[in-house]
Amino acid sequence: GDSVTQMEGPVTLSEEAFLTINCTYTATGYPSLFWYVQYPGEGLQLLLKATKADDKGSNKGFEATYRKETTSFHLEKGSVQVSDSAVYFCALSDRLGGKLIFGQGTELSVKP
Amino acid sequence: NAGVTQTPKFQVLKTGQSMTLQCAQDMNHEYMSWYRQDPGMGLRLIHYSVGAGITDQGEVPNGYNVSRSTTEDFPLRLLSAAPSQTSVYFCASTPPTAGGYNEQFFGPGTRLTVL
Repeated sequence: GDSVTQMEGPVTLSEEAFLTINCTYTATGYPSLFWYVQYPGEGLQLLLKATKADDKGSNKGFEATYRKETTSFHLEKGSVQVSDSAVYFCALSDRLGGKLIFGQGTELSVKP
Repeated sequence: NAGVTQTPKFQVLKTGQSMTLQCAQDMNHEYMSWYRQDPGMGLRLIHYSVGAGITDQGEVPNGYNVSRSTTEDFPLRLLSAAPSQTSVYFCASTPPTAGGYNEQFFGPGTRLTVL
């Protein structure tokens, strides 16, 4: 079945460092890909998405490109802030969008 | 709009007790889902619904029941709570469009402990 694999955390960075969180997927067909973020004590919020190969999703300085050839959707940010400390989830959806398959989540901690 | 709301925020049960986790959305979304979040395992789909009167099982449905009598509400019932059901539960909704691929909107979660 479909699955998502993320790099394990926790990831600890200093403010203004470069961030990469790796995400690879296995899926039949052509899923959409998402990054969700969960701040402490809150529910999940959509960070960015891409619906087809070579699409780049971007939001709040974060970017991820849908790479079909490597089945990857790595999250990047050029300069992280303390406020980016959260858990990040990579996910894919079925064609109808009603079901999401999540990776295990990567906790990011940014130190001043 | 209130978005997706969940009640209660916290709950402690004893093994064997039953309860219902409430979920409501005021965005007129057809699709609704229940997930559980456990450490190191991400979120796993329990049940989902593509519209009023229609429900289906997700990845981990055992021990849970759902119903969808209205578009707005999607309650999750624990029939006989077990310690393995200790988790954080999230409800989500999404509007369908042709071709799907829509954002899911999540509620704030219910933290459940089963003793």
